Amino acid sequence: GENVEQHPSTLSVQEGDSAVIKCTYSDSASNYFPWYKQELGKRPQLIIDIRSNVGEKKDQRIAVTLNKTAKHFSLHITETQPEDSAVYFCAAIPSNFGNEKLTFGTGTRLTIIP
Amino acid sequence: GAGVSQSPSNKVTEKGKDVELRCDPISGHTALYWYRQRLGQGLEFLIYFQGNSAPDKSGLPSDRFSAERTGESVSTLTIQRTQQEDSAVYLCASSVAGFSGNQPQHFGDGTRLSIL
Repeated sequence: GENVEQHPSTLSVQEGDSAVIKCTYSDSASNYFPWYKQELGKRPQLIIDIRSNVGEKKDQRIAVTLNKTAKHFSLHITETQPEDSAVYFCAAIPSNFGNEKLTFGTGTRLTIIP
Repeated sequence: GAGVSQSPSNKVTEKGKDVELRCDPISGHTALYWYRQRLGQGLEFLIYFQGNSAPDKSGLPSDRFSAERTGESVSTLTIQRTQQEDSAVYLCASSVAGFSGNQPQHFGDGTRLSIL
């Protein structure tokens, strides 16, 4: 089955700087890669996702890049703000034919230092 | 519109008791998923329902765990003879039908289960 690894497990950045979180996956058939943000005690919230037919996607201060050859994808947050502090999870789905279960990474606790 | 709704939000029970957790998906979402999140850890897949297809139960950790779904609406996750290692947050998610590829999954707030 699919295996997703995520690094780093913790990340602290100065407010205004950029943060990068990286994930690798094992199943070359995976074609959908969402990122979730989870604040303490709250539900995971989808912040951005990317499909295998594109290499990059941006939404304001957030971007995701995908390298299918190397089987890794990354989350980039620019101009970080205190409200970006949370745990971020990457995930992958190994299917081309509809909804399947998400395999999650182990999470990155991001702390923005004011 | 309304998001995924889960109840109860918290459940404390004694070891050996049975518990039932409920999930109301977003209206119109045909796919429904259950995940488990232990304290400080990532999410583990448990079970997945898609329309009238047979559910994918490959993530259920033991035969003490079962789930049902009525049509394309409410789902219940049942844990029998609870053990302390069952303590976790149980999260439900739903998505629209994936006819054009994988669709985003939207999560509920979860049920925090504590086994004494």
